[in-house]
Amino acid sequence: DAGVTQSPTHLIKTRGQQVTLRCSPKSGHDTVSWYQQALGQGPQFIFQYYEEEERQRGNFPDRFSGHQFPNYSSELNVNALLLGDSALYLCASSLGGLKQPQHFGDGTRLSIL
Amino acid sequence: SQELEQSPQSLIVQEGKNLTINCTSSKTLYGLYWYKQKYGEGLIFLMMLQKGGEEKSHEKITAKLDEKKQQSSLHITASQPSHAGIYLCGADKAAGNKLTFGGGTRVLVKP
Repeated sequence: DAGVTQSPTHLIKTRGQQVTLRCSPKSGHDTVSWYQQALGQGPQFIFQYYEEEERQRGNFPDRFSGHQFPNYSSELNVNALLLGDSALYLCASSLGGLKQPQHFGDGTRLSIL
Repeated sequence: SQELEQSPQSLIVQEGKNLTINCTSSKTLYGLYWYKQKYGEGLIFLMMLQKGGEEKSHEKITAKLDEKKQQSSLHITASQPSHAGIYLCGADKAAGNKLTFGGGTRVLVKP
């Protein structure tokens, strides 16, 4: 039973570029959430997708956008990258509407030069 | 907005000793989750607490949620090097809702 998988594992970009991160949820899960974790801090919620729509959004600018596909996989897009976007980006999946814990992937480490 | 504070921020314990981590919320908790993270890796789910006074155990780790549902503790008995890592508490406001996390507690176990 595959868990949450994320790609790529590491990425280096320069300021102003755009990046796309990918996530496949745990088998049977239909909800995907994205978090940003800066070094030495707890994860911060970016947004959540359910039934291919953004259901909730955290306090992140419009440069951060996402998408969910019919197979429940998801993408996180960040435009006009800033140095401050350097972080570990975590994807979590869960079964919508049920009181179950979110399961996390190993994350994508994004470095902005 | 809900805020979670964890204490201590870090601790070093001798192998075999017990340790306790606390997580305090500014608001009543709906659901409280404990995760463990190895440096630079993803979060591993440990336990979920929902009811005031609830206590759960798994192997040498016990988590409790106080009656007023504003504080949780994570206790590790007879710590081992495998217990080293970052422990994070997270809370949500409703089923399937976004998680708000504390800043984490970094645990180092000295052999």
